[in-house]
Amino acid sequence: ETGVTQTPRHLVMGMTNKKSLKCEQHLGHNAMYWYKQSAKKPLELMFVYSLEERVENNSVPSRFSPECPNSSHLFLHLHTLQPEDSALYLCASSRKQANRDANIQYFGAGTRLSVL
Amino acid sequence: EDQVTQSPEALRLQEGESSSLNCSYTVSGLRGLFWYRQDPGKGPEFLFTLYSAGEEKEKERLKATLTKKESFLHITAPKPEDSATYLCAVQAWGGAQKLVFGQGTRLTINP
Repeated sequence: ETGVTQTPRHLVMGMTNKKSLKCEQHLGHNAMYWYKQSAKKPLELMFVYSLEERVENNSVPSRFSPECPNSSHLFLHLHTLQPEDSALYLCASSRKQANRDANIQYFGAGTRLSVL
Repeated sequence: EDQVTQSPEALRLQEGESSSLNCSYTVSGLRGLFWYRQDPGKGPEFLFTLYSAGEEKEKERLKATLTKKESFLHITAPKPEDSATYLCAVQAWGGAQKLVFGQGTRLTINP
């Protein structure tokens, strides 16, 4: 257990469905991230929230909509997805470091998403 | 643009056969280089952070080293349980503390 919990672990949805992915961290961190991991491609950063404010949106299509209601919870709302959006979606959290020490990001187990 | 390239893409070793994985990087200003291990169906698990050239860190059979252009993950006398995908990532100064990952090296240790 890394202290970062993602639900559901698996999700199958049609192109017209609306669903949400949930992430919860129990590490006392103040920054949270969404990454996408597709086959044969590196992990790609999607969104960063620092102190509950979105600080990075890595050119992600609007059919992905993040929400960070507090420092412990992060959601990814999905609507009108395409088959190419099928991937492993990973959540991570870290302590925002202002000094030299790079923050260490701790990952959840991911949600395996299949879009039919 | 920050970039990370890992080699080889896949590596198969016999138990006890030592080897090294390579991570080449270009980054505007290196804040940290990270190594993670990822098992099938799981998220990446943190292994090491390296901050400056010449730095080395060890954990059990793994040792990570760093130069100004690349990092190596040395695996000494590996065991089957070391089989996993090993991911390298860099973080640059400034920005939103994001990690830029390589594609990973899939390591298989045969008994």
